[in-house]
This record gives sequence, C-alpha cells and structure tokens, in this order.
Amino acid sequence: EDKVVQSPLSLVVHEGDTVTLNCSYEVTNFRSLLWYKQEKKAPTFLFMLTSSGIEKKSGRLSSILDKKELFSILNITATQTGDSAVYLCAVVGTSYGKLTFGQGTILTVHP
Amino acid sequence: EAGVAQSPRYKIIEKRQSVAFWCNPISGHATLYWYQQILGQGPKLLIQFQNNGVVDDSQLPKDRFSAERLKGVDSTLKIQPAKLEDSAVYLCASSLVRAGTGELFFGEGSRLTVL
Repeated sequence: EDKVVQSPLSLVVHEGDTVTLNCSYEVTNFRSLLWYKQEKKAPTFLFMLTSSGIEKKSGRLSSILDKKELFSILNITATQTGDSAVYLCAVVGTSYGKLTFGQGTILTVHP
Repeated sequence: EAGVAQSPRYKIIEKRQSVAFWCNPISGHATLYWYQQILGQGPKLLIQFQNNGVVDDSQLPKDRFSAERLKGVDSTLKIQPAKLEDSAVYLCASSLVRAGTGELFFGEGSRLTVL
C-alpha cells in the first residue's frame, strides 16, 4: 500500500520567516509527486514533480524531489499571513493514477 | 472556465439515514475522483472513474457507499445507512488525464455531519 508521511504536522511562524515542509513516501511504481495548498475550501494545485533534483519554483514557493531518498521538500520564503493553510503532499504510484495524500502540514503565519 | 461543481455544500443527518452528493466535473475531463477528508487528515480516495468506468474503488466501503457516473459526466456518491464515522468533507475532483500526468482540480466539497 502506498504511504505518504508529512512533517511537521503543524508549524507556527512569524511573517518574513522561511519554512521548509517535508514529505516522505513509499510507493510502488512512482510516477509523480504533487503539492497542494488547502485553505478553508478545496485543495489548490501548487507543483507536480517527476524528476529528481529539478527545482520547481513559483514566486516565493519552491519544491524539489529526491527519488533516491524518497522525499520532497516545499520551501516558502518571506512568509505572509496569506500563506496560512494546510499543505498537502500526494504521490501517484499506479498505472491508473491513484493519488495518495499525506496527512498535511498546518502552517500558521502570525503578523 | 467553470470549475468542479458539488452539491450540497453542507448536510446534517442522523445516523442510519441516507444521503447523496452530486458532482459535475470540468467539461472534457475524463477522470473523476471522490475523496473523503476527515477533519485533521489528508483526503482518502474512495473511488476513481475513467469516463464512466470504475478503475479503483478499493477503499470504498461497499456495504454502505455507492457511486455512479452516468454517461461519463456527472457523478453521484450515496451513503446508506450513514454512520457517525462518515462525518467528513467529501471532495470531488477531476482531471483531463490520469493523475500523475496532470493536476487534479477539486470542487469545494460537501461537508457531512452525522449525528
């Protein structure tokens, strides 16, 4: 059974801090890893990673995948209160594209 | 472009009653998913459709949950009879292709409270 573990489970920081969120996985026939941001509503897509060592970047957010060590990190620099959310990591490991999610990291950014 | 539509947004029922949720995916998306998200946990896949065929329902409690996707477009998820532990947000998502090659687009979810 595919497994995704995220850490930390929760994180409280102040505006301007840099945070690193971790995602480790065990999956058969890895295809891709995705990061989502979930505020009070539906998860919204951030990144999809398929290749090791290639950083994906969008503004203050960046992510990288290590397929040898089976983990990914999501970095957020110069955090803002609007970054407060649950960050979900998910992996796809079957030919049918089943997405398995981790439990999420709750990020709280204080002004 | 219209997003994934779900209804109802909220539903409160008593245990042993039945409930149905509806989802309309993004036009042209062949793959549709139903996820259950219990408070404090990540979403758990209940069922995945490719057009109107089921490709994964291994985690669907088939004694009480059922889902269908008629004509490969809209989908309904039914729970009968509901249990207290079914209290959760039910998220519908769709993708143009299978997950892993493209992102999933989620609806805003249907929050179920079972009393």
